[in-house]
Amino acid sequence: SQTIHQWPATLVQPVGSPLSLECTVEGTSNPNLYWYRQAAGRGLQLLFYSVGIGQISSEVPQNLSASRPQDRQFILSSKKLLLSDSGFYLCAWTQVADTQYFGPGTRLTVL
Amino acid sequence: AQRVTQPEKLLSVFKGAPVELKCNYSYSGSPELFWYVQYSRQRLQLLLRHISRESIKGFTADLNKGETSFHLKKPFAQEEDSAMYYCALISGGSNYKLTFGKGTLLTVNP
Repeated sequence: SQTIHQWPATLVQPVGSPLSLECTVEGTSNPNLYWYRQAAGRGLQLLFYSVGIGQISSEVPQNLSASRPQDRQFILSSKKLLLSDSGFYLCAWTQVADTQYFGPGTRLTVL
Repeated sequence: AQRVTQPEKLLSVFKGAPVELKCNYSYSGSPELFWYVQYSRQRLQLLLRHISRESIKGFTADLNKGETSFHLKKPFAQEEDSAMYYCALISGGSNYKLTFGKGTLLTVNP
């Protein structure tokens, strides 16, 4: 069966520090992968998606970036975090226009 | 541009009462709509999708193209239904992007 992992589960970082969040999927190949940010009162905002290795589409301008170095690995990064980057980050995958499967999320606090 | 609106941030009902979570959408094509749910300390997961016309945990949702709505309903709410509910719309093409509403936090009181 397919599973999706995210780490770390929680992260506290100072303003201006770099960021790397990792998402991996098991049990499937060539999935579409997605990064969302979930903020209180703002719902789920799609940040990036990828339909294949090295293919990244950005949905919103920001100081975050994403990469997909392997088929089942999706990384969210930043060179310098801002206070406004705090939030709950979710990774998801799908292969059809049907269900998206979400990871457990990473709670990021930027101080 | 596509948009999903959930007008209620919070909804509180008593156990056994009917519940309706509202969702309106804006989309130029033929919409595919979903309801996702996030229970406390659990992952966000699919509750139901309109194309399958199924009832999950007693919840149903009917797509009304005239009113551009996809409201989620349950005749008798249970305490375990307390959760965050998101309505979502999928865009066309092979990227399968979901546009989510801002969510409604449902609390079912005993």
